[in-house]
Amino acid sequence: GAVVSQHPSRVICKSGTSVKIECRSLDFQATTMFWYRQFPKQSLMLMATSNEGSKATYEQGVEKDKFLINHASLTLSTLTVTSAHPEDSSFYICSARIGSYTEAFFGQGTRLTVV
Amino acid sequence: GQNIDQPTEMTATEGAIVQINCTYQTSGFNGLFWYQQHAGEAPTFLSYNVLDGLEEKGRFSSFLSRSKGYSYLLLKELQMKDSASYLCAVSGNTGFQKLVFGTGTRLLVSP
Repeated sequence: GAVVSQHPSRVICKSGTSVKIECRSLDFQATTMFWYRQFPKQSLMLMATSNEGSKATYEQGVEKDKFLINHASLTLSTLTVTSAHPEDSSFYICSARIGSYTEAFFGQGTRLTVV
Repeated sequence: GQNIDQPTEMTATEGAIVQINCTYQTSGFNGLFWYQQHAGEAPTFLSYNVLDGLEEKGRFSSFLSRSKGYSYLLLKELQMKDSASYLCAVSGNTGFQKLVFGTGTRLLVSP
């Protein structure tokens, strides 16, 4: 299957700083990627859809100024958590699909801890 | 909008069969997916249904009824390693093929 690579896998940052997470499609071009957040013992919550060459589409309730998404090329999307606070600590995971009738391929996920 | 519901937790014994249900309400439908997720790891793909009926893949089967907005994942010959969360996800016909996940079901398999 297709490969999506995400890093870092773990990051610890101080409150008030910003953290960038990268998501790359290694063997296919992804015009669209998706960013999810997952709190302990909960399911994946879709945060936003990242579109190559255009602005991201955010889900209701997700602050676009706090979670900056950039999709600069067909193989790379980045999520920047700005001015991080302890409540932003979570598991962030990206995914991409090749077509409408295929599964989503996931990155390895990033465990963010804000201290 | 989309509403996808699953039982929160289920328990079963090794060697048994378990059925995990998923009900959904979506605007448009482009398929339903089941994923398995172990704690701290990325989800792994199990099955995909776009037409009504049963899809079988080894010990795992998935069923879909579009008219009822209902799916289930059937796990046979349970093994201890099947203890994980099982996530139902639906793709609508809007929003760049995004997958929206249900609440997830934590399955605990005991000896």
